Amino acid sequence: DGGITQSPKYLFRKEGQNVTLSCEQNLNHDAMYWYRQDPGQGLRLIYYSQIVNDFQKGDIAEGYSVSREKKESFPLTVTSAQKNPTAFYLCASSIRGTTGELFFGEGSRLTVL
Amino acid sequence: QKEVEQDPGPLSVPEGAIVSLNCTYSNSAFQYFMWYRQYSRKGPELLMYTYSSGNKEDGRFTAQVDKSSKYISLFIRDSQPSDSATYLCAMSGFSGGYNKLIFGAGTRLAVHP
Repeated sequence: DGGITQSPKYLFRKEGQNVTLSCEQNLNHDAMYWYRQDPGQGLRLIYYSQIVNDFQKGDIAEGYSVSREKKESFPLTVTSAQKNPTAFYLCASSIRGTTGELFFGEGSRLTVL
Repeated sequence: QKEVEQDPGPLSVPEGAIVSLNCTYSNSAFQYFMWYRQYSRKGPELLMYTYSSGNKEDGRFTAQVDKSSKYISLFIRDSQPSDSATYLCAMSGFSGGYNKLIFGAGTRLAVHP
């Protein structure tokens, strides 16, 4: 079955540690995205990538980093510079552009202790 | 003022009721309008996608767009307990030099038997 796989589903880390969230898709989509979801707020875009080896900052990129070395993979690193990293992180992909037809993974919940 | 406003609820209705979910927006550049459904601890899934003003029906779901009023709605007929989820509106269009996709905060819906 085609889809997006995020791992891990749940992650606990101590303050000051970097963590990397995995996102893999087998939909052959060009574009991939990382969103952050907090209670009572809409999804906020962290980073997106329209093509391999290229990515752009979203609205809340500070304290995060990404890479896009392969079409299928778009890992997100939450660095120690991110002031409030506890959140639900969602990876998504689309055929092209950002007209809105996104396919989402099941999310990764990060809790920083 | 947020670009997209959505009442977070929660909204609680009895099984069989007609549910009305709404969003307003301020950016007239938005051209594509979507509704996503998100079950607890899962990623959102696309429910409805519309381009122009008017109605679009899919089974028990009807999406309505009124561009003149900058108002979109999702109606659910004969609501079922399985419809209990958070419903996110989203809209996209070319604004500020790039394609922008903005999500509402989501409305939590509970349908009780």
